[in-house]
Amino acid sequence: DAMVIQNPRYQVTQFGKPVTLSCSQTLNHNVMYWYQQKSSQAPKLLFHYYDKDFNNEADTPDNFQSRRPNTSFCFLDIRSPGLGDAAMYLCATSRGTGGDTQYFGPGTRLTVL
Amino acid sequence: GIQVEQSPPDLILQEGANSTLRCNFSDSVNNLQWFHQNPWGQLINLFYIPSGTKQNGRLSATTVATERYSLLYISSSQTTDSGVYFCAVERGGNNRLAFGKGNQVVVIP
Repeated sequence: DAMVIQNPRYQVTQFGKPVTLSCSQTLNHNVMYWYQQKSSQAPKLLFHYYDKDFNNEADTPDNFQSRRPNTSFCFLDIRSPGLGDAAMYLCATSRGTGGDTQYFGPGTRLTVL
Repeated sequence: GIQVEQSPPDLILQEGANSTLRCNFSDSVNNLQWFHQNPWGQLINLFYIPSGTKQNGRLSATTVATERYSLLYISSSQTTDSGVYFCAVERGGNNRLAFGKGNQVVVIP
């Protein structure tokens, strides 16, 4: 089945130690998104790629970076995680024609010690 | 930006009961999705419904775009329906979804 895959499902890192989260998709969608969701809150968009075109949200901290080496893969890099970055990180994809369905992966739950 | 309000924020249901969740939005939209977030955190697509009515098993949804609201109906609720239901909208084809704060639903046996 076509899907959005995230690895790992659970990630533990230490304060200040860089961490990379991975997302891949078999849907061949143009757009890939990264959301951050903290406990009891709605998902918050960090940034998205339309093909190789990177679109950062205005309030996304500089500590968060992303890479999309090809259509299928997208990475979220947190350069110096703080305790406040502990959250669920959700990857999503869409065709990118505007007004179309977003499909979400299972998420990576990040713990910062 | 567009505002999305969901009500009620919390709902406790007896198994077998019916319920209605509401999503109000502040501007015209070209995308509206309902999601169910399961206990493991995954967002499951329920409906893509910028307008009209759709049904899928015990769930159905109606969006009245001219009046800027959408309703999600759960009939004959089951314990597996527990979780958080999110409404999310997109305006202007910019590929950005704005989420409401969710409806926390607990179905008790």
